[in-house]
Amino acid sequence: GAVVSQHPSRVICKSGTSVKIECRSLDFQATTMFWYRQFPKQSLMLMATSNEGSKATYEQGVEKDKFLINHASLTLSTLTVTSAHPEDSSFYICSASLGGMNTEAFFGQGTRLTVV
Amino acid sequence: RKEVEQDPGPFNVPEGATVAFNCTYSNSASQSFFWYRQDCRKEPKLLMSVYSSGNEDGRFTAQLNRASQYISLLIRDSKLSDSATYLCALIKGGKLIFGQGTELSVKP
Repeated sequence: GAVVSQHPSRVICKSGTSVKIECRSLDFQATTMFWYRQFPKQSLMLMATSNEGSKATYEQGVEKDKFLINHASLTLSTLTVTSAHPEDSSFYICSASLGGMNTEAFFGQGTRLTVV
Repeated sequence: RKEVEQDPGPFNVPEGATVAFNCTYSNSASQSFFWYRQDCRKEPKLLMSVYSSGNEDGRFTAQLNRASQYISLLIRDSKLSDSATYLCALIKGGKLIFGQGTELSVKP
């Protein structure tokens, strides 16, 4: 299957700092990528849809100024958690599909963010 | 009401048991359904797509009931390695939406 690489896999940062997470499609071009967040014992919640060359589309309740998404190329989307707080500590994961609404989604390895 | 609902479990079963999970969805327009498996602190991996006609892959069988708006996953002859969280998902508006996940623990 297609490969999506996410980096870093784990990050610890101080409260008030910003953290950037990268999501790369290694062997295909992804015009659309998705960012999810997962708290312990909960589901993957879709945060936003990242569109190459245009603004991201955020789900209701997700602050676009706090979670900055940039999709500058067909193989890279980044999520920056700005002014992180302990409540932002979570598992962040990206996905991409080869195309079409009903095609399989491929996930990055996820990033475990801990804000202290 | 949530888009996709699952019993979070946990389901604790002995090795060799048959276990079934159900997942209900609220949007009757949803066309594509999936079961994913997620191990602790890892990304979800596609287990199987779910079709109206039902599909089987070894010990795993998935069914879709459009009239009652639920999908199911049956695991036969459970193995220790089946212990994981099983997430149902559907596509709505081009986005993949997940249920909460059902935790399965297979014991020796």
